[in-house]
Amino acid sequence: QKEVEQDPGPLSVPEGAIVSLNCTYSNSAFQYFMWYRQYSRKGPELLMYTYSSGNKEDGRFTAQVDKSSKYISLFIRDSQPSDSATYLCAMITTGTASKLTFGTGTRLQVTL
Amino acid sequence: DAGVTQSPTHLIKTRGQQVTLRCSPKSGHDTVSWYQQALGQGPQFIFQYYEEEERQRGNFPDRFSGHQFPNYSSELNVNALLLGDSALYLCASSTRGWGSPLHFGNGTRLTVT
Repeated sequence: QKEVEQDPGPLSVPEGAIVSLNCTYSNSAFQYFMWYRQYSRKGPELLMYTYSSGNKEDGRFTAQVDKSSKYISLFIRDSQPSDSATYLCAMITTGTASKLTFGTGTRLQVTL
Repeated sequence: DAGVTQSPTHLIKTRGQQVTLRCSPKSGHDTVSWYQQALGQGPQFIFQYYEEEERQRGNFPDRFSGHQFPNYSSELNVNALLLGDSALYLCASSTRGWGSPLHFGNGTRLTVT
C-alpha cells in the first residue's frame, strides 16, 4: 500500500465548475501538507501549504485537511481552462526536514 | 527574483554512460533536494543537500550521487545509466528548517536509449 493515494483521473469539467481533488494517506506522522500544480513539461508549482486541520483559502483555491481521517482536499472554484494541469498532493513527516512524499497526481482538464 | 534553474533541459544518453545535471537554487535558499519523476507518476525523493553534505537519501542506488557547492548550487550524477533511469529530474530548493516549503525548477528530461 502506498503512503499517499491519489486518484489519477483524468478529471474533465466544464469551465466555471467547482473541482474537488483528494488524497488519502496512511502515515499519521505526516504533519505538513501541500498542493502543487504541474503544467505539461514544467516543474511543480506550489499552490497551497497547510499544517493544521481545517480550511485554508487563497483566491479560488481552498485546501482542506482532516488529520483524524487522514484525508486532504483541494477545491477550485470557478474553474478556468488555465487550471488544466496535473495536481499533486505532497506531505512531510516530522523529523524528515524537507523530504516530500507525493501522490501520483490527478490530471484535470477544464473545457470551454 | 530568479527561481530554481536547471540545466540542461533535455538530454539523451546511451545505456552505461554517465550524466551530470545541474541546479541553481532560488535566491535565499540554501537547501537543495533532487527528485525523479517517471511519466504519469509523482516525484520520488532522491536526496537532499545542505552545508555541502548529503543529509537525507531516498531509496536510490549508489549510482546516484550528488554534490553541493559553497554557493548552494548542486549537481546530480548518475553512473552506469539504465533504460529505467529515463525520467524528469527535478531540483527543489528551500531554506533549512523543518517543514520549509519546496520550490521546484522545470527539470531535466533524461532519455536513456
